[in-house]
Amino acid sequence: EVQLVESGGGLVQPGGSLRLSCAASGFTFSSYEMNWVRQAPGKGLEWVSYISSSGSTIYYADSVKGRFTISRDNAKNSLYLQMNSLRAEDTAVYYCAGGNWFDPWGQGTLVTVSS
Amino acid sequence: SSELTQDPAVSVALGQTVRITCQGDSLRSYYASWYQQKPGQAPVLVIYGKNNRPSGIPDRFSGSSSGNTASLTITGAQAEDEADYYCNSRDSSGNHLYVFGTGTKVTVL
Repeated sequence: EVQLVESGGGLVQPGGSLRLSCAASGFTFSSYEMNWVRQAPGKGLEWVSYISSSGSTIYYADSVKGRFTISRDNAKNSLYLQMNSLRAEDTAVYYCAGGNWFDPWGQGTLVTVSS
Repeated sequence: SSELTQDPAVSVALGQTVRITCQGDSLRSYYASWYQQKPGQAPVLVIYGKNNRPSGIPDRFSGSSSGNTASLTITGAQAEDEADYYCNSRDSSGNHLYVFGTGTKVTVL
């Protein structure tokens, strides 16, 4: 079964850091481009970051550039998002999604930035 | 970054046809993909590329594109099709790689 499972979300104070993980199974992870997408409470989807299958090409949304870092470990079938200098507006459910057509998706992990 | 604009909400009678549109400059250069999201669930890809359905997606879902507008059509809407729908494409502005549409809430009456 093709599956993505996110973890690492939680409550963090403004200015703090979190590292999200996304564990892949059921497909050849090392061949897939990967993305992070977030959804603020009651809002729409926002693309956050992209990483190529090898990890050599990376893109970020302007809203997170300089604060978030995407990475992957193909040997561990895992994708990561290091989030620093977190702000209240980063509060959202964070999804990992595979491929250039965003399929499959994980179930999401909630990040809450609040004092 | 580019923007993709969708109507906030549409309604359709059970068994009838509904078209959801997505407008943006990037659609002149790139195909859209479409995602269905039900409350409390992750999005699901329903249409990608010119008009392709992933395995398991009913053939009542179809996609089309013309100029700066992409469309998702549900022919013979079912109660289980009630959901939020988002379009997505590459960003032609060069600042971002991808952009999502604003989303459309589909209500099946």
